[in-house]
Amino acid sequence: DAGITQSPRHKVTETGTPVTLRCHQTENHRYMYWYRQDPGHGLRLIHYSYGVKDTDKGEVSDGYSVSRSKTEDFLLTLESATSSQTSVYFCAISLDTLSYEQYFGPGTRLTVT
Amino acid sequence: AQSVTQLDSQVPVFEEAPVELRCNYSSSVSVYLFWYVQYPNQGLQLLLKYLSGSTLVESINGFEAEFNKSQTSFHLRKPSVHISDTAEYFCAVRPYNQGGKLIFGQGTELSVKP
Repeated sequence: DAGITQSPRHKVTETGTPVTLRCHQTENHRYMYWYRQDPGHGLRLIHYSYGVKDTDKGEVSDGYSVSRSKTEDFLLTLESATSSQTSVYFCAISLDTLSYEQYFGPGTRLTVT
Repeated sequence: AQSVTQLDSQVPVFEEAPVELRCNYSSSVSVYLFWYVQYPNQGLQLLLKYLSGSTLVESINGFEAEFNKSQTSFHLRKPSVHISDTAEYFCAVRPYNQGGKLIFGQGTELSVKP
């Protein structure tokens, strides 16, 4: 257990509304990641962070922003949610700087109506 | 660009039968390799990894995977599956030159029937 929590676990929102998902870790790991999981696509990286205030884009970053003001929290924001952002969102952290194997949170199921 | 292909989206198998889940990758640089498992309505759990050394790696619950550099493959095997192995399995690679980013395959649903 890498001490990762995500909130909320489930959310339904309307098109055009802003949404923020939170990832919290308890062990001060430097690297944190946001993925989305969709059938047939596996997991795709949205954004990642390699330290406080240090973030970078992943494969599918359009429509998403992130912030990391504290080591333990990594926030993912959908500025104006669209139906194509209906997905399951996973946060992950890296324990090891050699292999960068990642450990995942329980996920947030987001539905945009 | 790197990519990971899991050749089977669904694999149905009977309990106690052997299974192989196939994973091929494309990369111009060396990679670390991982298999993750996702049980229904849960997050992903690391099943096993290849970093270096012996090309055959094992997990604590009887799975094994073999890194084949010439075929750029990392297939997952288990000689005798249980009902509890029913889950989705993801192969992932981490290229040496891309920091911490993982590239995932599309996933394989393993369904073990009694």
